[in-house]
This record gives sequence, C-alpha cells and structure tokens, in this order.
Amino acid sequence: LAKTTQPISMDSYEGQEVNITCSHNNIATNDYITWYQQFPSQGPRFIIQGYKTKVTNEVASLFIPADRKSSTLSLPRVSLSDTAVYYCLVGDGRGNTPLVFGKGTRLSVIA
Amino acid sequence: GAVVSQHPSWVICKSGTSVKIECRSLDFQATTMFWYRQFPKQSLMLMATSNEGSKATYEQGVEKDKFLINHASLTLSTLTVTSAHPEDSSFYICSARGTTGTYEQYFGPGTRLTVT
Repeated sequence: LAKTTQPISMDSYEGQEVNITCSHNNIATNDYITWYQQFPSQGPRFIIQGYKTKVTNEVASLFIPADRKSSTLSLPRVSLSDTAVYYCLVGDGRGNTPLVFGKGTRLSVIA
Repeated sequence: GAVVSQHPSWVICKSGTSVKIECRSLDFQATTMFWYRQFPKQSLMLMATSNEGSKATYEQGVEKDKFLINHASLTLSTLTVTSAHPEDSSFYICSARGTTGTYEQYFGPGTRLTVT
C-alpha cells in the first residue's frame, strides 16, 4: 500500500482557504486518493476522493497533478468547526483492501 | 447515505473480563469490515480485516486469541476483547465496505473502552 506524508499540523484563521498537501510517491496505477476528516472521539468522515485532475464537492476540492505523486485538499473559507485531523489515504479500491492511515494533519482554525 | 453503527459507544470493564463490541452496517450489506484501534493523539491502527463467513485476517502484532472477531452476517461484525487489561484501553473503530464495488469506506462512530 502506498505510504503518504502530510504536514503534522497547520493553523489557519477563520474565513481563509486552507490547502493541505499530501505526498504519495509510490502511488500505484489502480490507486485512488481519499481524504477523511476526524473529530476527537469520533470515527473518520469521508470528505472527497479522486483519481486524477480536480474533483470538487460541496465541502472541498481535491487537486491531483498529472504524475499523481501528490495531492492537495483545499478547504474554502474554513470555520472553527473545521478544526480536526485530516487524513490522506491511497488505495486500489478493491473490496477487501483496508485503508491504512498515516499520521494525518491536525488543522487548528483560530477566530 | 451508508451508515455504520457501533455498540456500545463506551464501556468500562474490570481487568480480566471480556468485552464485546458490535459493528453494524445499517442500510447496506458489507462482505468486508475492518477494525481499527486509536490511542489518544495518535492515528488509527488497523487491527484486522473481517470477512463474512470466514476467519479474520489480523495485522502483524495483533493477538488473534485476545481480539476475537466474528463476522457472522453481511451486516454484523463483532470484536471481543478477551481478558482485558488496562493497556487495552483505547478507542475502537470499525469500518465497512459495501458490495457494490465503490471505494468509500464507511466508518462507525467508535467505541471507547476503559479497563480498570
């Protein structure tokens, strides 16, 4: 399974755009890139998933360059409630392949 | 959307006793479920993969005789912590993947286990 590297922590003020970059140099051809959000004492929550280029949904955008060796999660206009740990994961999408979590990025949003 | 529940949400037990945690997929069938453990301020650690109708696959370093996993139906997997000790105190999270082939894993809310 491809290993990921993310910044340990990030700080941001409310209303700013936050970009969290994840490095996954060994990503395989069949791997998708998925981002999860986790609040304390809760299970991870799916944010967004992509394979290449750009994906956007109602909460975030995911930018993936052509070589797919990295990806950037973009959170527009963060609020205090976005304070959480964000995990970047890669996997090949097969039904019996588990998601392996890295250390994640602890985002702190400041008023 | 797909929902995964866990029961109980928190449990306190005495050292030496066993505790069972249930993981259910509420609105979809899951042939595969995963169990994770998370210590404070740390990431999720995969413990085992639970497959319906077959034995679980445990990650290296996880004692299969201590953490018993049973996936008896397409909507239920259970994790039993046998002869619990204080060092087993942790946050246990399960996840499930559906049978439709989508990649998204749905996570349960977690179970906080405290062993006294």
